[in-house]
Amino acid sequence: SQQGEEDPQALSIQEGENATMNCSYKTSINNLQWYRQNSGRGLVHLILIRSNEREKHSGRLRVTLDTSKKSSSLLITASRAADTASYFCGSYGQNFVFGPGTRLSVLP
Amino acid sequence: DVKVTQSSRYLVKRTGEKVFLECVQDMDHENMFWYRQDPGLGLRLIYFSYDVKMKEKGDIPEGYSVSREKKERFSLILESASTNQTSMYLCASSRQEGWTDTQYFGPGTRLTVL
Repeated sequence: SQQGEEDPQALSIQEGENATMNCSYKTSINNLQWYRQNSGRGLVHLILIRSNEREKHSGRLRVTLDTSKKSSSLLITASRAADTASYFCGSYGQNFVFGPGTRLSVLP
Repeated sequence: DVKVTQSSRYLVKRTGEKVFLECVQDMDHENMFWYRQDPGLGLRLIYFSYDVKMKEKGDIPEGYSVSREKKERFSLILESASTNQTSMYLCASSRQEGWTDTQYFGPGTRLTVL
């Protein structure tokens, strides 16, 4: 059964604004990873955060992890039209669980 | 750069046909995975393999089988395709070191079963 859940399911913002997506999971994890998927394509790895880390940055991306709440968030700052995609979190513990994703639309 | 390729981007088959989906990776990764992706359900793991000739069932193996005769190639087989197997199929690979390592995905195969 699907355990990962992204929130919101869809998000629409203007170029230049920040976008925040959340992910929850149910079991203990080794790490959590965020992926991006452009329409009809495969997933591209964005960032990995380990269970003993609380925050990680990569360019305009910032990921936080709260293991006590079993949740993670992905922040994209100064969004661009090219950031339009679906974003998935994958939680890696005893098995792999991907949520249904957040569809982000960045309007020019 | 890691490259994972899948044999077809789009495939149309008829109910009852045997379907082969091929995946090849060029980074000498030990682990390979097959997922299906459906709207609102995210990615669901069908099978994975951590070595040549080794395979493990994922969450939804029913109606599927796999083959891994060579390290770089992982095949997904639909023995008798059914309409409920219409979906996007994604292959991925990762290093053995910690099987929770980053997964690299292929572009996907959109399969339609009529």
